[in-house]
Amino acid sequence: DQQVKQNSPSLSVQEGRISILNCDYTNSMFDYFLWYKKYPAEGPTFLISISSIKDKNEDGRFTVFLNKSAKHLSLHIVPSQPGDSAVYFCAAKREYSGAGSYQLTFGKGTKLSVIP
Amino acid sequence: GAGVSQSPSNKVTEKGKDVELRCDPISGHTALYWYRQSLGQGLEFLIYFQGNSAPDKSGLPSDRFSAERTGGSVSTLTIQRTQQEDSAVYLCASSLYDRVGEQYFGPGTRLTVT
Repeated sequence: DQQVKQNSPSLSVQEGRISILNCDYTNSMFDYFLWYKKYPAEGPTFLISISSIKDKNEDGRFTVFLNKSAKHLSLHIVPSQPGDSAVYFCAAKREYSGAGSYQLTFGKGTKLSVIP
Repeated sequence: GAGVSQSPSNKVTEKGKDVELRCDPISGHTALYWYRQSLGQGLEFLIYFQGNSAPDKSGLPSDRFSAERTGGSVSTLTIQRTQQEDSAVYLCASSLYDRVGEQYFGPGTRLTVT
């Protein structure tokens, strides 16, 4: 039972264009969402997050959009750069205290390739 | 500054042997997490420590898996009688107590059971 789904295992984008990575979730108890980036042979690094009280959060070239009614979030990277080539994981958690509030549930990841 | 470190980086073991994986979290991070990533899968939560206590061990896949944390710092994940399905990358992360959504990951230990 996959609670966080990233249906695209890979994505190729030209340098300078927009990269859009998608993520869907099924657990309505999730109310905090994160994106992590992972290079080969390294651990994931935190990229950006969004609370369910917002529908958009922006940090430089990275913007995360949340559509709660559709249980869908997306990460936009504009403009895409070759150094953005990595695996991107979507993760979700319950924000407040209680069982599972410390536990991140991850998707399987999307491998982004930015072509120079 | 020092990040999360894990050792060994790679471990090859024979089926049936026990292995110990070590995690050194960021200094001052009271929360510590273990995950594993099997081939083609996302990260699977194993266990969470707050200080030396593990309030949730529900993610451990079987009783062959155990973990401990001492001095609120170093943690060890032990797998007894390893099986081939235990082959995976084992990742450790740490965070400040109130920033559990922003976990800092180590590079992982790649375990191969032959």
